[in-house]
Amino acid sequence: EDQVTQSPEALRLQEGESSSLNCSYTVSGLRGLFWYRQDPGKGPEFLFTLYSAGEEKEKERLKATLTKKESFLHITAPKPEDSATYLCAVTTSGTYKYIFGTGTRLKVLA
Amino acid sequence: EAGVAQSPRYKIIEKRQSVAFWCNPISGHATLYWYQQILGQGPKLLIQFQNNGVVDDSQLPKDRFSAERLKGVDSTLKIQPAKLEDSAVYLCASSPRLIDTQYFGPGTRLTVL
Repeated sequence: EDQVTQSPEALRLQEGESSSLNCSYTVSGLRGLFWYRQDPGKGPEFLFTLYSAGEEKEKERLKATLTKKESFLHITAPKPEDSATYLCAVTTSGTYKYIFGTGTRLKVLA
Repeated sequence: EAGVAQSPRYKIIEKRQSVAFWCNPISGHATLYWYQQILGQGPKLLIQFQNNGVVDDSQLPKDRFSAERLKGVDSTLKIQPAKLEDSAVYLCASSPRLIDTQYFGPGTRLTVL
């Protein structure tokens, strides 16, 4: 069964303390991996799409990478405004379905 | 460009009552999704439309949930009758085409008492 697992469930960082969030997946054939940010009371907001192992995307303090089994979202020198839940989702070959992980709740302390 | 619109934003009902949610996708987006997000979990796909046809509804509890997308634009999700476990946020998303970036609305928070 296709599965997406995110770790850790929750993460507290001090402002400026860099870290990484993990998204591991077990799917029959990866079509694409998506990262979203979700603020409380809002819908997820698109961050990145990755399609093949070795691919990297960057946006401000965020950098997403992809291997054959997992993706990392690296946060460099985070600020309090980076506090949110980060979701990853995969789409698989042969279906049109998005499979979301449960997310990582990030809290950045000033 | 206007985003995905949803209404109402909040709804409180008693169990066994009915409720309906409305979604207006981004103009020109062919694909529309309804998700259920329970607190602390990721979104779970309920139903996916391509224009006004259903692509996937395998996780929709069809004994109580129904959805339609008339004319391939707006969509309505209905729950009848509601159960306590239906308490969740219902998210609508749209994308230009299948397997493309999804753009989410703000969601409707449903509380079933």
